[in-house]
Amino acid sequence: EDKVVQSPLSLVVHEGDTVTLNCSYEVTNFRSLLWYKQEKKAPTFLFMLTSSGIEKKSGRLSSILDKKELFSILNITATQTGDSAIYLCAPKTSYDKVIFGPGTSLSVIP
Amino acid sequence: EAGVAQSPRYKIIEKRQSVAFWCNPISGHATLYWYQQILGQGPKLLIQFQNNGVVDDSQLPKDRFSAERLKGVDSTLKIQPAKLEDSAVYLCASSSRVTDAPDADTQYFGPGTRLTVL
Repeated sequence: EDKVVQSPLSLVVHEGDTVTLNCSYEVTNFRSLLWYKQEKKAPTFLFMLTSSGIEKKSGRLSSILDKKELFSILNITATQTGDSAIYLCAPKTSYDKVIFGPGTSLSVIP
Repeated sequence: EAGVAQSPRYKIIEKRQSVAFWCNPISGHATLYWYQQILGQGPKLLIQFQNNGVVDDSQLPKDRFSAERLKGVDSTLKIQPAKLEDSAVYLCASSSRVTDAPDADTQYFGPGTRLTVL
């Protein structure tokens, strides 16, 4: 059975801190891994990772995938209150099935 | 480019009643997904369509839930009869099947329908 584990499940930090969110997976026919940010509405796309060791960056956010160890991390540097959200990790299979993890709830305190 | 459209945005019903949700994916997207997201959890896949065919419905409670995508474009998800535990946000998403498209693996979500069953 496909499985996605995210840690921590919740996190409270102060503005300016750096955070690392973890995602490990066991998925049949793995093709890529997606990261999403979810505030009070639908998830919004952050990154898609297909190759090991290649870091994707967007502003203060970055992410990397390790296909051998079956995990990915999402880093956020110099956090801001606007980063408060649930961050979802979602491996995608070669059959286009997307399996979501439980999410990490991040709260950034001023 | 228009995004994924869903309606209604909110629905309140009593248990044992029926409800239907509608989704129109991004134009040209062959793959359509319905998810159920209960508060505090990640989205759970209910059903995945490839054009008008079902790819995966292993987690769809088929005794009460049904979905169709007759012409391979828009889709409806129905619950009949609803139970209290069906209270959740129902998300529709779509993705492109064109493998050399730059966003081929990206899923785009609609705004969701928040269902409350009383």
